[in-house]
Amino acid sequence: DIQLTQSPSFLSASVGDRVTITCRASQGISSYLAWYQQKPGKAPKLLIYAASSLQSGVPSRFSGSGSGTEFTLTVSSLQPEDFATYYCQQLNSYPRTFGQGTKLEIK
Amino acid sequence: EVQLVESGGGLVQPGRSLRLSCTGSGFGFTDRAVTWVRQAPGKGLEWVGLIRNKRSGGETTEYAASVKGRFTISRDDSKSTAYLQMNSLKTEDAAIYYCTADTCGADCSGFWGQGTLVTVSS
Repeated sequence: DIQLTQSPSFLSASVGDRVTITCRASQGISSYLAWYQQKPGKAPKLLIYAASSLQSGVPSRFSGSGSGTEFTLTVSSLQPEDFATYYCQQLNSYPRTFGQGTKLEIK
Repeated sequence: EVQLVESGGGLVQPGRSLRLSCTGSGFGFTDRAVTWVRQAPGKGLEWVGLIRNKRSGGETTEYAASVKGRFTISRDDSKSTAYLQMNSLKTEDAAIYYCTADTCGADCSGFWGQGTLVTVSS
């Protein structure tokens, strides 16, 4: 199975900050990676698919990059509603797997 | 409006069975793969399995190792509904179960239900 490791696991930042979350795969997955945002008590929401494609309706301050084994999710200017937990997921092979999550908190 | 609605969760004893349902509306349910994802209390997301759509995937299925042989995913496109049959339930199966629908052609979960809670306890 492909393991995904996110870093950091916890991130403290302020409104207006630029933040980057990294997801590393245990083997190459081309660009078959998605990013999700989850707020407490809610279902996750798809942000990015195919490593860098923005899901319809997602603000352009979110962006994704990478291929192979290293990927990043960047939020260019944090807004209050962006404080949440973020997960990456590989879509290259079965079983699909998720990273352990990155909790983004307000500083 | 796009909707996925899960039902069927509840309290069940270890070793017993439960069937979850997921009904979609507001989008082409029959053209989408449906994935089940679960989340144990306070934990991260765990992929459970998926069923492909009939046209491109022949309604074939994939499962996580932790549920293979115990869980079965099926679908009834005439009802825009997918099912997760869970047998021989274990305490570690306790979680919120989400159904999702593919929106990118590679099983990404673009549409999500609200989740249904499964508690496994004697």
